[in-house]
Amino acid sequence: KNEVEQSPQNLTAQEGEFITINCSYSVGISALHWLQQHPGGGIVSLFMLSSGKKKHGRLIATINIQEKHSSLHITASHPRDSAVYICAVRSGEYGNKLVFGAGTILRVKS
Amino acid sequence: NAGVMQNPRHLVRRRGQEARLRCSPMKGHSHVYWYRQLPEEGLKFMVYLQKENIIDESGMPKERFSAEFPKEGPSILRIQQVVRGDSAAYFCASSPNSQYINPEAFFGQGTRLTVV
Repeated sequence: KNEVEQSPQNLTAQEGEFITINCSYSVGISALHWLQQHPGGGIVSLFMLSSGKKKHGRLIATINIQEKHSSLHITASHPRDSAVYICAVRSGEYGNKLVFGAGTILRVKS
Repeated sequence: NAGVMQNPRHLVRRRGQEARLRCSPMKGHSHVYWYRQLPEEGLKFMVYLQKENIIDESGMPKERFSAEFPKEGPSILRIQQVVRGDSAAYFCASSPNSQYINPEAFFGQGTRLTVV
């Protein structure tokens, strides 16, 4: 079992749809990151969370520390949102290194 | 204020050659992390460095791989005698202070190494 599980693995949506990507982890963490990676491109850090909720434009990230679960939401999705979305956690259990999920491949069709 | 700069963006090496990947952290950042992304796999931690000091190299393969972050200049990830299995994207991230204080991690564009 991976330390960080993401679902779904692949997601296809129509432009304008509300999208949710989920991330579950198994240990106590000090922080959780949501990252975005375009094909052949670099990695952009979208959010770092240790509690609650953060919003940036059409992106919203939430975390439930008790349930060890985080969600990334995209409102009014657009084809330019097509990318791989990666959840990563930092924990003393992992020597304070970032441990990454496998990623969710999102494709938004126009 | 330039972000994390990695070069080259693409590197092709023949089997047995050496590969040198460079990472210049963001201005004011003294902590550098290297990660590897193998084809069809997720990112994996390799090494964490501060200037002139390796803090954690638990993710580095035991042989052929080394990393440094000198007092002046970029951090270097060096792969000796490359093999086809080293083909991957190598990402660098930097932070302004210790990772133990939940820093934001800023990532570079990556170096895509292809071994032929």
